[in-house]
Amino acid sequence: AQSVTQLGSHVSVSEGALVLLRCNYSSSVPPYLFWYVQYPNQGLQLLLKYTTGATLVKGINGFEAEFKKSETSFHLTKPSAHMSDAAEYFCAVTTYNNNDMRFGAGTRLTVKP
Amino acid sequence: EPEVTQTPSHQVTQMGQEVILRCVPISNHLYFYWYRQILGQKVEFLVSFYNNEISEKSEIFDDQFSVERPDGSNFTLKIRSTKLEDSAMYFCASRAREGASEQFFGPGTRLTVL
Repeated sequence: AQSVTQLGSHVSVSEGALVLLRCNYSSSVPPYLFWYVQYPNQGLQLLLKYTTGATLVKGINGFEAEFKKSETSFHLTKPSAHMSDAAEYFCAVTTYNNNDMRFGAGTRLTVKP
Repeated sequence: EPEVTQTPSHQVTQMGQEVILRCVPISNHLYFYWYRQILGQKVEFLVSFYNNEISEKSEIFDDQFSVERPDGSNFTLKIRSTKLEDSAMYFCASRAREGASEQFFGPGTRLTVL
């Protein structure tokens, strides 16, 4: 079965600074990888996904992530943090048959003014 | 834009009672899922459903849980005898077809068991 590990349960950055949220996956078959954002008391919003093709994927709100098979990683980045980026971020993995999706423990991003 | 809807948004129940959480997946989607998120924890897979049967279920999805697609639009999760530890946010998701990568999530139902 596939799994995801998110390094760092809390990340704090200053407004305008680089955001880097780490995600490593484990999968015996080619993975489909996702980043979701969750604002307080709300549902899950898809930021971006990787399935096949280009390994650098761009998502909403200026986020992007790069699939690195050799490192089994799918880290999320944003060049310049905004106050509105403060939220919980979840990395998730599934496979082609997509019978289940496994989530990481989440990273809470705090943005300081 | 089509979206997954869930009702109710918040359900409060007494321990030992049965609850049914309802979801309306996106029309024409074929695959359906339930996930739960205990407060402050990660989202956990419960069950996937296709062609009127369970495709896969996690260790969490024991005999107290069941799913059903009673008609062409609803997808329900039933918990037969709720326990305190069932208190969580429950998310429904749907996926269009085989090979489609994205699962579309509903806004969730917050279940509180007293």
